[in-house]
Amino acid sequence: DTGVSQDPRHKITKRGQNVTFRCDPISEHNRLYWYRQTLGQGPEFLTYFQNEAQLEKSRLLSDRFSAERPKGSFSTLEIQRTEQGDSAMYLCASSFPGQVSHEQYFGPGTRLTVT
Amino acid sequence: AQSVTQPDIHITVSEGASLELRCNYSYGATPYLFWYVQSPGQGLQLLLKYFSGDTLVQGIKGFEAEFKRSQSSFNLRKPSVHWSDAAEYFCAVGADSGYALNFGKGTSLLVTP
Repeated sequence: DTGVSQDPRHKITKRGQNVTFRCDPISEHNRLYWYRQTLGQGPEFLTYFQNEAQLEKSRLLSDRFSAERPKGSFSTLEIQRTEQGDSAMYLCASSFPGQVSHEQYFGPGTRLTVT
Repeated sequence: AQSVTQPDIHITVSEGASLELRCNYSYGATPYLFWYVQSPGQGLQLLLKYFSGDTLVQGIKGFEAEFKRSQSSFNLRKPSVHWSDAAEYFCAVGADSGYALNFGKGTSLLVTP
């Protein structure tokens, strides 16, 4: 069990550019979550997958954001036409099937800076 | 909708002193409650969780928390703080629809010598 991994750890981009982040969950975890965390705040839920199906999306996930989990393993989060307000830490988490306690394990995050 | 309040933004304690971090939640049913810790530049590590049973739960690193339904609270405690406990602590509640976690804004813990 190597834990949840995220790549890249840091990304600096110019406003208007597209960026894509990757998340590899703990193996055998079929649920995968994306959160966004801005400075001084707790993480805010963005979206959730069970296997390859995207089951829930927050209203925070604007049309410029898209997430995929094509084979039910790793996931990508893409932000198109980035804005300065997108600067944040993007956290990925996964959980084990059948858990009733919603216990989620988090990766180290990808810190995005939009200049 | 559920919500989580952590009333203390910053707390400073001396090494070896006891610690209590407060968490209040708003939720219609029995909630799923969690405490996570985040060190600078790192992801979140689960300290402990509650979803049923004994209202006093033990976690990692010597932490414990008590669920009090009458007070809608889930306070985190540690009898003796170590310098390595300095970090950001987040309380979270399981959502009433789906599996999203709703986090508080966090409490930043500073440990002095």
